[in-house]
Amino acid sequence: GAVVSQHPSWVICKSGTSVKIECRSLDFQATTMFWYRQFPKQSLMLMATSNEGSKATYEQGVEKDKFLINHASLTLSTLTVTSAHPEDSSFYICSANPGLANTDTQYFGPGTRLTVL
Amino acid sequence: KNEVEQSPQNLTAQEGEFITINCSYSVGISALHWLQQHPGGGIVSLFMLSSGKKKHGRLIATINIQEKHSSLHITASHPRDSAVYICAVNTGGGADGLTFGKGTHLIIQP
Repeated sequence: GAVVSQHPSWVICKSGTSVKIECRSLDFQATTMFWYRQFPKQSLMLMATSNEGSKATYEQGVEKDKFLINHASLTLSTLTVTSAHPEDSSFYICSANPGLANTDTQYFGPGTRLTVL
Repeated sequence: KNEVEQSPQNLTAQEGEFITINCSYSVGISALHWLQQHPGGGIVSLFMLSSGKKKHGRLIATINIQEKHSSLHITASHPRDSAVYICAVNTGGGADGLTFGKGTHLIIQP
């Protein structure tokens, strides 16, 4: 089956630093990747939609200058949390859409737990 | 914006019981997903539905498009089924991200 990886699986950083999270589709090409985050005891929320070769589309309330998304290839999207603060501590998870006939399919990465001290 | 409601929020049952989790949404969709999330956070996709019914092992998912409602059933439940079950919908097709319900925290006791 289709596999999506994320790296790192967890990261602890100091306030003010930047953190990059990678999302890779290992055995398929993903025309679209999605970034979600989940605060403790809350539901997953879509942050942004990442399309290969174009600018990401951000959901309302998500700062595009703080959460930089790059989708440089059909198998890799990166999310960089710039100048991270404790309120950015969350579980970040990506998913990838293969863009085939079954266009609603999404394959999820295992997630990245970010803790900002 | 699609509103996704799940019930119950929490469910504790005994091993072997038949489990039903419900999901309703407010706006027409292109697909509905049932997902399983374990304590570590990782998400497993169980089903994707646009109509009718699907079955995989002890899991059954149904959807009624007219009523904007879906159910996830677990037959012969087992402690390893303990997890958070999440309903999520595609409103605009594959180019749109998912809208999630709050999840149902299921505990199956031996």
